[in-house]
Amino acid sequence: AQSVTQLDSQVPVFEEAPVELRCNYSSSVSVYLFWYVQYPNQGLQLLLKYLSGSTLVKGINGFEAEFNKSQTSFHLRKPSVHISDTAEYFCAVTGGAGGTSYGKLTFGQGTILTVHP
Amino acid sequence: DSGVTQTPKHLITATGQRVTLRCSPRSGDLSVYWYQQSLDQGLQFLIQYYNGEERAKGNILERFSAQQFPDLHSELNLSSLELGDSALYFCASSAFGETQYFGPGTRLLVL
Repeated sequence: AQSVTQLDSQVPVFEEAPVELRCNYSSSVSVYLFWYVQYPNQGLQLLLKYLSGSTLVKGINGFEAEFNKSQTSFHLRKPSVHISDTAEYFCAVTGGAGGTSYGKLTFGQGTILTVHP
Repeated sequence: DSGVTQTPKHLITATGQRVTLRCSPRSGDLSVYWYQQSLDQGLQFLIQYYNGEERAKGNILERFSAQQFPDLHSELNLSSLELGDSALYFCASSAFGETQYFGPGTRLLVL
């Protein structure tokens, strides 16, 4: 079975400051990793994904994440946040192709990022 | 806009009733997934269909069922509704299973 832990339920930060949202996963098989963002009263928007290859992945809106297999982590970072980044962020994992958990996204509990002026 | 559409956007109904939620995947995507988002359970995978056939099941109640039609749209049927079924229901679609794109969701309120 796979699981995802988002280590912070809420992260307050000031505008133009850097931010890191932490995510750890557990899985006995190879994984694909994702970050999604949910703005108030909206659906989930894909920020970025790691499928294979370079462990540093870049996404939309200036976000990036680093896959660390030894630490089973996939932390999300942005060097300078904007007020418009205020939203809830979800880390998710699915098993690699051919596995029983392939295609089933397991989500963390979410991190609410609040950017203050 | 992800290209995944869901109707209705909001649904208010009473306990014991039955509702149908509809999802149209992105053009060309063969897989459709259903998820439930609630305050106490978070985001949970319910069920997946691929080209009309059930592919995987998650924490889906027996009162809930789904199907995918030949035109690839999918419906999630919720019956004998209880207060605890109030939640946001998302549909997602993908081409090959790795990357899922989510619709705007249907907010269900059971009174």
